[in-house]
Amino acid sequence: DGGITQSPKYLFRKEGQNVTLSCEQNLNHDAMYWYRQDPGQGLRLIYYSQIVNDFQKGDIAEGYSVSREKKESFPLTVTSAQKNPTAFYLCASTPRGTVGRQYFGPGTRLTVT
Amino acid sequence: AQTVTQSQPEMSVQEAETVTLSCTYDTSESDYYLFWYKQPPSRQMILVIRQEAYKQQNATENRFSVNFQKAAKSFSLKISDSQLGDAAMYFCAYRRGYGGATNKLIFGTGTLLAVQP
Repeated sequence: DGGITQSPKYLFRKEGQNVTLSCEQNLNHDAMYWYRQDPGQGLRLIYYSQIVNDFQKGDIAEGYSVSREKKESFPLTVTSAQKNPTAFYLCASTPRGTVGRQYFGPGTRLTVT
Repeated sequence: AQTVTQSQPEMSVQEAETVTLSCTYDTSESDYYLFWYKQPPSRQMILVIRQEAYKQQNATENRFSVNFQKAAKSFSLKISDSQLGDAAMYFCAYRRGYGGATNKLIFGTGTLLAVQP
C-alpha cells in the first residue's frame, strides 16, 4: 500500500540530545513538509522540500534541520538548540501538479525531559 | 501575511443533527484555496473538503458542505446528519493560489467537535 510512514510513533529523549525523526513516502511525491503541532496552536510549518537536494525554512525552523537526499525520505533533526522540542510532529507530501492537498503521515510524538 | 482564525475552540452536536464550524481568514490575494482537514483521535490528518476562491459555487462532499463568503473572508464548514465518527479536531487551512512556495498551507488553531449520542 502507498503512503507515508513516520517512525517511531513515540520518542523520548533527554534534554541536550539531538534526535532525528523519520519520514518515508512511497507515493512518488515531489514535495515534502514537516509540521509541528502544539495544543491550541494548530499546525506550524518547520521545513519543506519541493525537490531532492533542496529545502526551505518554514515559519519555525530555528533549532531544526533537514535533508532531502532521496525523493522518498525527508528526515527531521531536532537539535539541542530547539528550546521547546516536546510536541507532535507531522510529515506530509504532495505530488507535482496538484494544489493544496497534502497527504499526512501518522505523526511522531516527541517528549524531551 | 495571511492568517487563519477559528474562533470556536470546542463545539458539540447531537448525533443526526447539523453543526457549523466557523473559519475566517485574512489575505490581500484574490486567488487562493481553502481547505478543511479532520484530525480524529488517531491524529491522522484527513482532507474533508476544498474550495477554490475563483469558484462561486460552494463545495460539497456528501454530508460536508462549505459556506464560502469571499468578500467577508469567511469559510464555514457544515456537517449534516452528524455521526459519532465525525468527532475530531477540525482545521481550516489556506493556500495561496500562485507561485512562490507551492502548497504551503497556513492552518487555523482548530475546533474540537464532540458528537453526543
